Amino acid sequence: QQQVKQSPQSLIVQKGGISIINCAYENTAFDYFPWYQQFPGKGPALLIAIRPDVSEKKEGRFTISFNKSAKQFSLHIMDSQPGDSATYFCAAISQGGSEKLVFGKGTKLTVNP
Amino acid sequence: GAGVSQSPSNKVTEKGKDVELRCDPISGHTALYWYRQSLGQGLEFLIYFQGNSAPDKSGLPSDRFSAERTGGSVSTLTIQRTQQEDSAVYLCASSPVVFGGPGVYGYTFGSGTRLTVV
Repeated sequence: QQQVKQSPQSLIVQKGGISIINCAYENTAFDYFPWYQQFPGKGPALLIAIRPDVSEKKEGRFTISFNKSAKQFSLHIMDSQPGDSATYFCAAISQGGSEKLVFGKGTKLTVNP
Repeated sequence: GAGVSQSPSNKVTEKGKDVELRCDPISGHTALYWYRQSLGQGLEFLIYFQGNSAPDKSGLPSDRFSAERTGGSVSTLTIQRTQQEDSAVYLCASSPVVFGGPGVYGYTFGSGTRLTVV
């Protein structure tokens, strides 16, 4: 049973556009939701994270929107750039529970110049 | 070191052979994780070490897989009698924080070992 469902699997956006990646979770015990960015040949790197007591977190061009009642959260990349082309993973953890992150299957983002 | 170091970066092995993958975490990080990344399958949890506690082995796919962490630092993932379905990128991550706090929680991943079983 997949605990974190991520969509879409791939996304193509024009430079300057908005990229939106969605995730849904089932375990209501999850209390921390990070996003990771992975470039080819590299390990994933922490990009931005949110806790369920806030509905939105913004860092530069990257924003997480969180809907606790719907058990959904999403990553928005504003003014997308070719350098943003990477695979993005959402994740979740219950920090008082299993102590390990559960990842979505990833979204491959391509930003065309 | 400055980051999580994994070796080798690439490994090609024949079916049936044993392989050892090494992870050198960031100094002082108490938690160490192994994940497997297969094409289109995301990141699959394998095993987790925290300090001197018994490791969480709940993600190991079969008894051919084992891992150890010596001295609370370096970890080795061993795959015995490798099969073609073991081909994947094996990622190691470490973290200084296990339980939640007000700060940002996140793993630092290494660049992985790409294992190809032929």
